[in-house]
Amino acid sequence: DTGVSQNPRHKITKRGQNVTFRCDPISEHNRLYWYRQTLGQGPEFLTYFQNEAQLEKSRLLSDRFSAERPKGSFSTLEIQRTEQGDSAMYLCASSLGPSMNTEAFFGQGTRLTVV
Amino acid sequence: KQEVTQIPAALSVPEGENLVLNCSFTDSAIYNLQWFRQDPGKGLTSLLLIQSSQREQTSGRLNASLDKSSGRSTLYIAASQPGDSATYLCAVRQAGTALIFGKGTTLSVSS
Repeated sequence: DTGVSQNPRHKITKRGQNVTFRCDPISEHNRLYWYRQTLGQGPEFLTYFQNEAQLEKSRLLSDRFSAERPKGSFSTLEIQRTEQGDSAMYLCASSLGPSMNTEAFFGQGTRLTVV
Repeated sequence: KQEVTQIPAALSVPEGENLVLNCSFTDSAIYNLQWFRQDPGKGLTSLLLIQSSQREQTSGRLNASLDKSSGRSTLYIAASQPGDSATYLCAVRQAGTALIFGKGTTLSVSS
């Protein structure tokens, strides 16, 4: 299966630690998105890449969060000095540009628990 | 600011029933609307994508309609099965690149 792949699937960390998640998009997709989802809510946009360029960041993306997509393929999302409020499902999605009308495909997510 | 609302928040039906899930959005200037399914603790599975110029899309027992001018979409599920139990999310894409999601409708189909 060549869908969107996210690792790890689950991460438990102590408050104050740094964590990094990885997303491998569908191979030909040039657009990659990160979302965050808390219990009972829909996903909320964090940031967007077109190829290796980070083109858009949400207000939700505080300075403790950083995302990269160094070669326009996989992406990483790092959270520094984690807080309990960071506990959520982190979802990655990809789509094929340049059209805005293409379908977005999501990965299985990384569930982060900060204790 | 675009807001997406899904009603009802939860729905329970017996197996075999036809059902409709509703999605409304406040700003009709959208590129497209996408329906997703999410199983507990899992990611999102794309079900249907409707472009702003389209009125409906069908896939198997699923039919999604879009009335852009009134800011509404419905997802019709025919002959529901226990395996359809999940949370259904709708999302719209506007001039920006991000999808804007509703909170979802959690469907439970009993056998």
